[in-house]
Amino acid sequence: NAGVTQTPKFQVLKTGQSMTLQCAQDMNHEYMSWYRQDPGMGLRLIHYSVGAGITDQGEVPNGYNVSRSTTEDFPLRLLSAAPSQTSVYFCASSYRTRGDEQFFGPGTRLTVL
Amino acid sequence: AQKVTQAQTEISVVEKEDVTLDCVYETRDTTYYLFWYKQPPSGELVFLIRRNSFDEQNEISGRYSWNFQKSTSSFNFTITASQVVDSAVYFCANAGNMLTFGGGTRLMVKP
Repeated sequence: NAGVTQTPKFQVLKTGQSMTLQCAQDMNHEYMSWYRQDPGMGLRLIHYSVGAGITDQGEVPNGYNVSRSTTEDFPLRLLSAAPSQTSVYFCASSYRTRGDEQFFGPGTRLTVL
Repeated sequence: AQKVTQAQTEISVVEKEDVTLDCVYETRDTTYYLFWYKQPPSGELVFLIRRNSFDEQNEISGRYSWNFQKSTSSFNFTITASQVVDSAVYFCANAGNMLTFGGGTRLMVKP
């Protein structure tokens, strides 16, 4: 099993550009989520999904969109990148709920100029 | 609203010292889960432990132990006889209606 995979590992964008961060898991997990990690602030939840076709907002959803068309994939879209979105992004999945152990991807380091 | 506070932003110890990382949480949920994750310098996040709100038993796993006290809303993590490989950022988290992480504690273990 590959676990949770994320692409790309690094990305540099200009302000106003859009892009999609990819996340996939091969563990048949129902629950998937996206976090951003900023220095001193831990991980903050952006969006999450409890199953295919179901998504919901987390703590910091503004500027990001998600969809969950399959159990395996949970892409994160930046609509119009801003320097405040410079961060490390982690995708995670768990068996069923947020109360289960979260398996994290390796992260994507995004810089917005 | 949920909140997780890790008041110690950085701790530095010498190898073989014991160290305790503090975690205080706030929640209105009656059922919730508490976690600790480790983030070594390589950047990945590694699961250490999960505890549900109905289980206040302390847990020991090798050199690691956890003390959950509902009365003080704390879930502290102790490393006994620390090693250089324990150097990492450690995150406490609370899963109630949302999974919320603390700001992390950077532990540096010097040889």
